[in-house]
Amino acid sequence: NAGVTQTPKFQVLKTGQSMTLQCAQDMNHEYMSWYRQDPGMGLRLIHYSVGAGITDQGEVPNGYNVSRSTTEDFPLRLLSAAPSQTSVYFCASSRSQGSSYNSPLHFGNGTRLTVT
Amino acid sequence: KNEVEQSPQNLTAQEGEFITINCSYSVGISALHWLQQHPGGGIVSLFMLSSGKKKHGRLIATINIQEKHSSLHITASHPRDSAVYICAVRESQGNLIFGKGTKLSVKP
Repeated sequence: NAGVTQTPKFQVLKTGQSMTLQCAQDMNHEYMSWYRQDPGMGLRLIHYSVGAGITDQGEVPNGYNVSRSTTEDFPLRLLSAAPSQTSVYFCASSRSQGSSYNSPLHFGNGTRLTVT
Repeated sequence: KNEVEQSPQNLTAQEGEFITINCSYSVGISALHWLQQHPGGGIVSLFMLSSGKKKHGRLIATINIQEKHSSLHITASHPRDSAVYICAVRESQGNLIFGKGTKLSVKP
């Protein structure tokens, strides 16, 4: 199993450009999520999904869109990149157990995004 | 006030030392996770616990629900244990809240 695959590993964008960060998992996990990691701060939730066709906003959703057309894929779209979106982005998945989603987390290797 | 506080922020140890990293939280939780982030950036799940104690190799995690506190212990530390250790709690409502991490450096 590949686990959680995140691409690209590095990306540089100019202000105003759009792009999609890809995330795929092969573990049939219901729960998938996107986080950003900034210096001096804990991981912050951008968007999450509890299953195909269902997405919801996290703590810092502005400037990002997601979709979940399949169980495996959960892409994150930057609509119009801004320097404030310079960060390291992580995708994570877990098996849901009822409504508590208390199962181990599986993370992708991260995408380091720089917006100039 | 941060809902998940880790201490210390930075920790330097000599190889072989016993290490303790602490995590305190202020919200009701259904589970607590300990994660490891290596210098290359990848994040790995070490433990998920909701009560008591878990052990995996040289790593031990404990949680005291009444005191809202968890500890991660590393016995016989090794330079390859150098990483950032992150505590995350699953709120009763379902959201994950992350601590800022503890950067551990183990010197040979």
